[in-house]
This record gives sequence, C-alpha cells and structure tokens, in this order.
Amino acid sequence: AQTVTQSQPEMSVQEAETVTLSCTYDTSESDYYLFWYKQPPSRQMILVIRQEAYKQQNATENRFSVNFQKAAKSFSLKISDSQLGDAAMYFCAFTSGTYKYIFGTGTRLKVLA
Amino acid sequence: DAGVIQSPRHEVTEMGQEVTLRCKPISGHDYLFWYRQTMMRGLELLIYFNNNVPIDDSGMPEDRFSAKMPNASFSTLKIQPSEPRDSAVYFCASSLGLQGGTEAFFGQGTRLTVV
Repeated sequence: AQTVTQSQPEMSVQEAETVTLSCTYDTSESDYYLFWYKQPPSRQMILVIRQEAYKQQNATENRFSVNFQKAAKSFSLKISDSQLGDAAMYFCAFTSGTYKYIFGTGTRLKVLA
Repeated sequence: DAGVIQSPRHEVTEMGQEVTLRCKPISGHDYLFWYRQTMMRGLELLIYFNNNVPIDDSGMPEDRFSAKMPNASFSTLKIQPSEPRDSAVYFCASSLGLQGGTEAFFGQGTRLTVV
C-alpha cells in the first residue's frame, strides 16, 4: 500500500520568516501527483500546490514552493514570508492511477506574531 | 457551482443509533471520496466511487459502515450502530477524473460526536 508520512506533528514560525514542512511517501509507481492542502480552523480543505512526478522542476505558487526529490521520495513545502493567515493544518497527499488521494497525518503550523 | 455540499455540518447521536451523512458532489465530477479525519490518523480514505460505482472500500473500518451513491449527484455514508470511537470529522470530496493531477475538492465536513 502507498503511504504518506508527515513526521512533524507541529511546527512554529515567526511572522515573516520561512518554514519548511516535510513529507515523504512510499510508492513503486512512476507516474503520480503530489499535493499540499491547507486546512484552516474553518475545516475547509484548500489546495496550496501540486507537483507532477514527471516534472523535475519544483512547483511554486507565490510564497509557497516545494522541494521535490523523486529518488528520495520526498516532497517538502516551503512557506516564505510567513503570515498569520498561514496558520493551519497542512496535509501532504499522493495520487496515482492506482492509489487515490492518500493523505498524511498532517502538520499543524503556528505563526507567531 | 456551490462546491461539494455535505450535511449535516454537526451531528450528535447516542451510541447504538444509526447515523447517515450526506454528500452532493460538484456537478460533472465522476469521482467521489469519503474520508474520516482524526487527530491520531489524519485523513483516512474510507471508500471512493467512480461513475457511481464503488471502486475501493478497503478503508471502511468495519461492517457497521456502508456507503452508497444512487446517482451522480448524491452519496450517503451510514454508520449502524454508531459507537463513541466513530466520533470524528467525515469529509466528502469529488474530482473530475484523475488525469493531469486533478485536485480533489472537499466539502466542509460533518463533525460526528457519538456519546
């Protein structure tokens, strides 16, 4: 079975600083996609960024970027210039032709003013 | 489109009672997923449907849980009988195929409390 592991249950970052959230996954498939979702206190799941496994270039979305290391099966999320509104649970997710939207256990991010 | 709609938003029930959670996916989406979120286990995939047909229910914890999708615009997750350990937030999500890394769109979730 495919697994997604987020080893940091909780992280803190000072406002305006940079933080990196870790995610590793296990798969034997070569074609898959990876996502980071944000879940604020409202419970709504919001897509932050996605990465196609066949692309070597790391995805970026404004202040959010990923470090995708395919050989190491690592997919970390970097948040630059952290804002109070970034405080949330962050989930890493994997999907492929066979395994659908498998999520990690999440990392709670606190942003300190 | 209003997005994925779940009801109720909150549900409190007594142990042993039947609970039915409802979901309306985004129109045109052909995949529908049911997840359970707990602090310990994060987001667990319970079951998913493709074109109203259950494809993988290996995540359903036990026979007390059942899910149906009678048509493209409606799905239910039923727990009978409910137990306190079923207390969690249940999410429904839908997606438009799985090509090109399509994202899954989530509803607001149903917080279930079994007392």
